[in-house]
Amino acid sequence: AQSVTQPDIHITVSEGASLELRCNYSYGATPYLFWYVQSPGQGLQLLLKYFSGDTLVQGIKGFEAEFKRSQSSFNLRKPSVHWSDAAEYFCAVGAREYGNKLVFGAGTILRVKS
Amino acid sequence: GAVVSQHPSWVICKSGTSVKIECRSLDFQATTMFWYRQFPKQSLMLMATSNEGSKATYEQGVEKDKFLINHASLTLSTLTVTSAHPEDSSFYICSGTGGSIEQYFGPGTRLTVT
Repeated sequence: AQSVTQPDIHITVSEGASLELRCNYSYGATPYLFWYVQSPGQGLQLLLKYFSGDTLVQGIKGFEAEFKRSQSSFNLRKPSVHWSDAAEYFCAVGAREYGNKLVFGAGTILRVKS
Repeated sequence: GAVVSQHPSWVICKSGTSVKIECRSLDFQATTMFWYRQFPKQSLMLMATSNEGSKATYEQGVEKDKFLINHASLTLSTLTVTSAHPEDSSFYICSGTGGSIEQYFGPGTRLTVT
């Protein structure tokens, strides 16, 4: 069965520090990978996506993610975190073979301390 | 980017009544729309997939008679929660796609059943 694992429920980083949020997936098809951010009580905003090609993907707000097929991972990174980055981050995986449905990870709540 | 709206953003209803949530794609034709449910501090769980003009396909464990989904046009899908009970209180998010795997998410609707 398809699954997405975000092993860190909460992460706290200092403002200006680097950030890496982990995402591992188990999928029986060629995956399409997404990272979304959600502020409390809000919908989802797409940060970046990977469909094919260059495995290092650049997104909005200075985020990037690297697709590593051998590790079944798609970790999200940011070199310098801003206080406004505090939110919940979701990794999601989909595939055409599964009707374009997305499977979401449990989410990682990012706290930024000043 | 593509925009999806939801209405209302927040609704309170009494137990036993029904409530309808609208999901509209504002600048693209959504051939497929998805409805998700998100409990507090949890991830998004797919409830159903609807294709324009067809009956919705519900995920396992979702009561189709309780959560009525209509996708009558390429820009509008509705979710009706029938005979709502307090356990139906949740955050409902819709998304639409024009045929690609990328989904465009609405801002969500918070339903509180008293």
